[in-house]
Amino acid sequence: DADVTQTPRNRITKTGKRIMLECSQTKGHDRMYWYRQDPGLGLRLIYYSFDVKDINKGEISDGYSVSRQAQAKFSLSLESAIPNQTALYFCATSVSGRGEDEQFFGPGTRLTVL
Amino acid sequence: GENVEQHPSTLSVQEGDSAVIKCTYSDSASNYFPWYKQELGKGPQLIIDIRSNVGEKKDQRIAVTLNKTAKHFSLHITETQPEDSAVYFCAATPRTGTASKLTFGTGTRLQVTL
Repeated sequence: DADVTQTPRNRITKTGKRIMLECSQTKGHDRMYWYRQDPGLGLRLIYYSFDVKDINKGEISDGYSVSRQAQAKFSLSLESAIPNQTALYFCATSVSGRGEDEQFFGPGTRLTVL
Repeated sequence: GENVEQHPSTLSVQEGDSAVIKCTYSDSASNYFPWYKQELGKGPQLIIDIRSNVGEKKDQRIAVTLNKTAKHFSLHITETQPEDSAVYFCAATPRTGTASKLTFGTGTRLQVTL
């Protein structure tokens, strides 16, 4: 089984709808991240959480919110989706500690907002 | 904040040739520089990283070089193979305290032709 899973893998929705993307991990990592990937723009950080009670905005948090329901679960919500939020979304995890820098990415969710 | 520029955006090489991808960063405090490989339909995966206390690191056919004075770092792939075809991302982060926020470059699509 995959260590970092994302649901759904694909989603098509309409402008104005509320959407939730979910991420679960079995790696036991304390840190979790949400990124957005757009062609030509690379990966941009939306939100990150270093533990259950810690939520931080990334560089492009406007229009998004997150919830860290448990150490293993981190959800991303679009309260009112708009077409320019059409993108590939990735969840990632890492573990705190000296020298532990690798981030482990899920398979991604392709979101289309019509 | 940190800004990472990556070139080229696309790169086509023949099997067996070498490939070089270059990145520059803006924040002189950055001291950790990973490279991620993203295969089609998958999330990025760490392939090699380098810290600011070394100038070069090798792992089989992959090497990374770092020039802190010029604030640039490069990925070198020798004896390229078809399975090297993917999108490659560089990233940088200033590891202040326990932070592990990465700023990614915009990606390089590498195609290895037979």
